[in-house]
Amino acid sequence: AQSVSQHNHHVILSEAASLELGCNYSYGGTVNLFWYVQYPGQHLQLLLKYFSGDPLVKGIKGFEAEFIKSKFSFNLRKPSVQWSDTAEYFCAVNAGLNTDKLIFGTGTRLQVFP
Amino acid sequence: DAGVTQSPTHLIKTRGQHVTLRCSPISGHKSVSWYQQVLGQGPQFIFQYYEKEERGRGNFPDRFSARQFPNYSSELNVNALLLGDSALYLCASSPRGVWGYTFGSGTRLTVV
Repeated sequence: AQSVSQHNHHVILSEAASLELGCNYSYGGTVNLFWYVQYPGQHLQLLLKYFSGDPLVKGIKGFEAEFIKSKFSFNLRKPSVQWSDTAEYFCAVNAGLNTDKLIFGTGTRLQVFP
Repeated sequence: DAGVTQSPTHLIKTRGQHVTLRCSPISGHKSVSWYQQVLGQGPQFIFQYYEKEERGRGNFPDRFSARQFPNYSSELNVNALLLGDSALYLCASSPRGVWGYTFGSGTRLTVV
């Protein structure tokens, strides 16, 4: 069965530290990849998405992600985090050509301290 | 512009009862999807509707049903509630499919 793994469940950083959140998926065919963020008390918001083309994707708020097909990975990065980045981050995969379903990982809780 | 609107925001039900959750998509969006987010987990796909037809169904029991109306709003119905149905139920709308998903703030259902 298709699945998404986020190995970092809880990450604690100081402001200005660099961030990398891991995401791996299990599906051998065509995939569309997403990172969503859920700030405390708010709804899920799209950070960035990959459909095709350049495997390095830039999103909002300085986030970027790199699709490495050989590793089935789509890791999220940010060079310098801010306190306002404190949130839950979800990786999601849309697997296959004939489905509109998103498969989410379990999420990574990021806490950034000033 | 109004985003995806879900109602109610919170509700508490007793085991065995029935519940109806509602979702109004962004104007012009014809696709509505429902997800269940249990505390500490990522959202899980329940249903997708496009142009009033069911386009996908997740691994949920028949107690869960949904429908989409001519104005593209949608209802999620859950019968014979169990404690394990306690979760945040999310609605997402898009023009079509996953490309432009916008999520609502969700309905927090507590079953006691």
